[in-house]
Amino acid sequence: RKEVEQDPGPFNVPEGATVAFNCTYSNSASQSFFWYRQDCRKEPKLLMSVYSSGNEDGRFTAQLNRASQYISLLIRDSKLSDSATYLCVVNNAGKSTFGDGTTLTVKP
Amino acid sequence: GAGVSQSPSNKVTEKGKDVELRCDPISGHTALYWYRQSLGQGLEFLIYFQGNSAPDKSGLPSDRFSAERTGGSVSTLTIQRTQQEDSAVYLCASSFDSGNSYEQYFGPGTRLTVT
Repeated sequence: RKEVEQDPGPFNVPEGATVAFNCTYSNSASQSFFWYRQDCRKEPKLLMSVYSSGNEDGRFTAQLNRASQYISLLIRDSKLSDSATYLCVVNNAGKSTFGDGTTLTVKP
Repeated sequence: GAGVSQSPSNKVTEKGKDVELRCDPISGHTALYWYRQSLGQGLEFLIYFQGNSAPDKSGLPSDRFSAERTGGSVSTLTIQRTQQEDSAVYLCASSFDSGNSYEQYFGPGTRLTVT
């Protein structure tokens, strides 16, 4: 079993849709959690950190459930520019483990 | 400010040759990471440097791979006797580790092709 697991998708949604991604992790000692986005043939870019209380940044909402060991990312009012691969990242004492990513395509 | 830079951006080498990949982290960042990503695959952790601590080399796939970080800043990843399966994008990231925050910022990567 992988340390960090994501549904690879692809998720194909129309503009304006709401879409949610989940990510599960196996190491209960994990301390920090993040979502990154990666565009085709580009480097990953930090989208947002995930806090225990949940956090929101514009159309993006991240949640952490330590008891069930999963994190989620909700994107509201999807834009064409949201098309990318979304990577879940779990960090334990500095060492990060990346999920393989979930691919999102937003269509007109 | 300046982000993470990597050089070269592309490297084509013949099987059996040695290559060196360079990473310049963001100034002031104490941690530096190397990953590699094969086409269509996820990121594979290679090595992690944190301050003056011994690096975490647990992700290096074989003893042909080594990395060093000089003066707590620039890092070089060396691959000896390259093989075709080493072809991938090698990504470097740095972070300012403060408490539980390990937000990583990536460089553009070096695309290595072994022929």
